[in-house]
Amino acid sequence: GAVVSQHPSRVICKSGTSVKIECRSLDFQATTMFWYRQFPKQSLMLMATSNEGSKATYEQGVEKDKFLINHASLTLSTLTVTSAHPEDSSFYICSARAPSLTGAVKGRTALHFGNGTRLTVT
Amino acid sequence: AQSVTQLGSHVSVSEGALVLLRCNYSSSVPPYLFWYVQYPNQGLQLLLKYTSAATLVKGINGFEAEFKKSETSFHLTKPSAHMSDAAEYFCAVSDYEQGTYKYIFGTGTRLKVLA
Repeated sequence: GAVVSQHPSRVICKSGTSVKIECRSLDFQATTMFWYRQFPKQSLMLMATSNEGSKATYEQGVEKDKFLINHASLTLSTLTVTSAHPEDSSFYICSARAPSLTGAVKGRTALHFGNGTRLTVT
Repeated sequence: AQSVTQLGSHVSVSEGALVLLRCNYSSSVPPYLFWYVQYPNQGLQLLLKYTSAATLVKGINGFEAEFKKSETSFHLTKPSAHMSDAAEYFCAVSDYEQGTYKYIFGTGTRLKVLA
């Protein structure tokens, strides 16, 4: 259970174009999803927290107009990299908090991750 | 804000040897701690988590971690390394901030298993 599917796994685009990445929770409803960016051989950097039905919360330094997040349903969040540039090339990973069956505090539940999207902007 | 520090960005062990990956946390309240593994070009997979129950936590693939409050540590161990354990390992803590829980990751430790 608690499977998160992310598509596409790899995308190459030209500078100036926009790219949309989808993140779906396949067998559970995720009111909150998280988008991370990972540079080569580095840790995950939280970009934003995506909340179903409301605006995403962006981390400091992340341009919300550059990285558009939409969480229109309980099973789908999308990240659109607008007017992509080579410096946007990176590995983007989405995650969703596993549903709590015991009513446990949300912070105690682990995240389930998609397999990531390798974005290359030429 | 809470944080985790992973000592050693690279660890090499021989196949069959003990694996020890270090993680120290910084928290003023009891933390929720996690260990994840990442294989190349993939997302992260949960190995185990500590949520203030038993201090010794057993996870998948033979891994376990012990929460030591006195040392503010949550080191990951495995008695006998296997070639398939070669991967990147991340320690993480959940932090309550601005009305929601966020997950903060350490810088990662790359485990290499030598034949």
